[in-house]
Amino acid sequence: GAGVSQSPRYKVAKRGQDVALRCDPISGHVSLFWYQQALGQGPEFLTYFQNEAQLDKSGLPSDRFFAERPEGSVSTLKIQRTQQEDSAVYLCASSPFPETQYFGPGTRLLVL
Amino acid sequence: GIQVEQSPPDLILQEGANSTLRCNFSDSVNNLQWFHQNPWGQLINLFYIPSGTKQNGRLSATTVATERYSLLYISSSQTTDSGVYFCAVERPDTGRRALTFGSGTRLQVQP
Repeated sequence: GAGVSQSPRYKVAKRGQDVALRCDPISGHVSLFWYQQALGQGPEFLTYFQNEAQLDKSGLPSDRFFAERPEGSVSTLKIQRTQQEDSAVYLCASSPFPETQYFGPGTRLLVL
Repeated sequence: GIQVEQSPPDLILQEGANSTLRCNFSDSVNNLQWFHQNPWGQLINLFYIPSGTKQNGRLSATTVATERYSLLYISSSQTTDSGVYFCAVERPDTGRRALTFGSGTRLQVQP
């Protein structure tokens, strides 16, 4: 079946602009994760959902970052008032609890 | 939090050579995954291997959980093996399912 999909694949934002990144997980996967990957680094955890419940948001770097998964399927990561340090690749992963995490292609965000 | 160290950080091979990548972790884990990040940025699952040994074609992996390390073996390397290899682990019994990634091994296979 289809893998994890993310949109948009690329996003250029002006500093101060709000952005919304979408993740479509693999159908039936209970768990959904967001990670942030800076250039040349490994991905870093942002937040985790089990169905529609956000069970862990300890990795969100500031209150400008907000994630939701209202119906337990598609998820949106929203960044308000973007800053240059938010430039990174944002990766979404889904998992049939409790095993392997499968990653999407990522959204490359550039804040100018 | 848990520390994950990968070695070597960079590796250049000639096509056909074999290699071993290492991942050390600082605490017990209930999930360990190896990923290949291709030049387009896609993270590709290689192995889910919290313990034991698995093989998939030219790739194999071994995790010795009691000694807190895992090894990824690549045999008869091909240019398409180039990219960054990440090890990632998950701590048990914390309720957190976050994967903690190492900094990766950047592999370049030359023809």
